[in-house]
Amino acid sequence: GAVVSQHPSRVICKSGTSVKIECRSLDFQATTMFWYRQFPKKSLMLMATSNEGSKATYEQGVEKDKFLINHASLTLSTLTVTSAHPEDSSFYICSASWFGGRARINEQFFGPGTRLTVL
Amino acid sequence: GENVEQHPSTLSVQEGDSAVIKCTYSDSASNYFPWYKQELGKGPQLIIDIRSNVGEKKDQRIAVTLNKTAKHFSLHITETQPEDSAVYFCAASWQGGSEKLVFGKGTKLTVNP
Repeated sequence: GAVVSQHPSRVICKSGTSVKIECRSLDFQATTMFWYRQFPKKSLMLMATSNEGSKATYEQGVEKDKFLINHASLTLSTLTVTSAHPEDSSFYICSASWFGGRARINEQFFGPGTRLTVL
Repeated sequence: GENVEQHPSTLSVQEGDSAVIKCTYSDSASNYFPWYKQELGKGPQLIIDIRSNVGEKKDQRIAVTLNKTAKHFSLHITETQPEDSAVYFCAASWQGGSEKLVFGKGTKLTVNP
């Protein structure tokens, strides 16, 4: 299947700093990328949907100024957690989808996740 | 909006037994229902999916059934193995609509050797 990578896999930062997480589709062009947040032993919560070259669409309750999403190319989306605080500590997962060709409509390929710890 | 309920939250079976996880959804417009397996510290991995024009789909030891009238779908794992132990999530989305996946809360499956 299609491969999605995330970098870094783990990051520890101090409160008040910003952290950038990269999501890459390695062997396909992703027309849409999704960012999720997952708390321990909980389900995935969609944060935002991003399409290449356009602004991300954020879910209700997600602060767009705190969680900056950039989808600059068909293979790369970034999530920047600005002025991170301990409550932002979580597991962040991206997914990518491509409509047409190898990927069927609605099929999402998930990355391995990034564990963010804010001290 | 769509709401997906998943049961049970935990499931423990003996190796070789079958495991069944059930999900219900609320939005009749949903037409794509994937199942994901997530191991500790990793991202979800698609294991099987079904679309609304099909009632059942099977892939080796894994099968999914869909009842559109009742708005529920189920994952069936036969001949379970210890490596099947993981958290399983069902999800629903609307093909041709928002494309967003709405996830159930997950089922932690433990297969005891």
